[in-house]
Amino acid sequence: DSGVTQTPKHLITATGQRVTLRCSPRSGDLSVYWYQQSLDQGLQFLIQYYNGEERAKGNILERFSAQQFPDLHSELNLSSLELGDSALYFCASSAGRTNAFYNEQFFGPGTRLTVL
Amino acid sequence: GQQVMQIPQYQHVQEGEDFTTYCNSSTTLSNIQWYKQRPGGHPVFLIQLVKSGEVKKQKRLTFQFGEAKKNSSLHITATQTTDVGTYFCAGPESGGYQKVTFGTGTKLQVIP
Repeated sequence: DSGVTQTPKHLITATGQRVTLRCSPRSGDLSVYWYQQSLDQGLQFLIQYYNGEERAKGNILERFSAQQFPDLHSELNLSSLELGDSALYFCASSAGRTNAFYNEQFFGPGTRLTVL
Repeated sequence: GQQVMQIPQYQHVQEGEDFTTYCNSSTTLSNIQWYKQRPGGHPVFLIQLVKSGEVKKQKRLTFQFGEAKKNSSLHITATQTTDVGTYFCAGPESGGYQKVTFGTGTKLQVIP
């Protein structure tokens, strides 16, 4: 158990819909990262938040957005869903006083999204 | 943009054989991290390398960071069935450490 929680575990929805994925980082971790992993694919970095502020953006589509709340939990919003958005979405958190990628990332169990 | 490739993509080995995966970045990396993802699981941090030419060992695993900080390798000696999984390298561009790129991964299968 990494200490990072993600809900829901599974999500099945239809094309055109909007969903929200939730992540609670490890206690004390200020950085939250979101990743997308398609079937048998690598991890695509989407976005990073540090203490409530967006710090880095990866290959995140305009239909996707995220935020980190004052209690440090984060949400990833996916809208106008397409079949190709079906994937495993991981959240990870890391410690440290800066946003630098010098700290071990702890991954949550992921949310499996299926778009029908 | 930065690309991080890993070879091989897949590797099947007999239990007891050695295994090596190579990670190559198109740009210089500030540092590199290695993760292991078991089938159906989430990535788990293995190690971080920061210095040029750095070598670190964890029991049967040996990690190396290239002199130019553009490549890295993970070597497993005498593989065991517990080594099964996908191994990813990951690193930010030098000077742009906020954006992380994960490698394409090497999927290891160990035949008992």
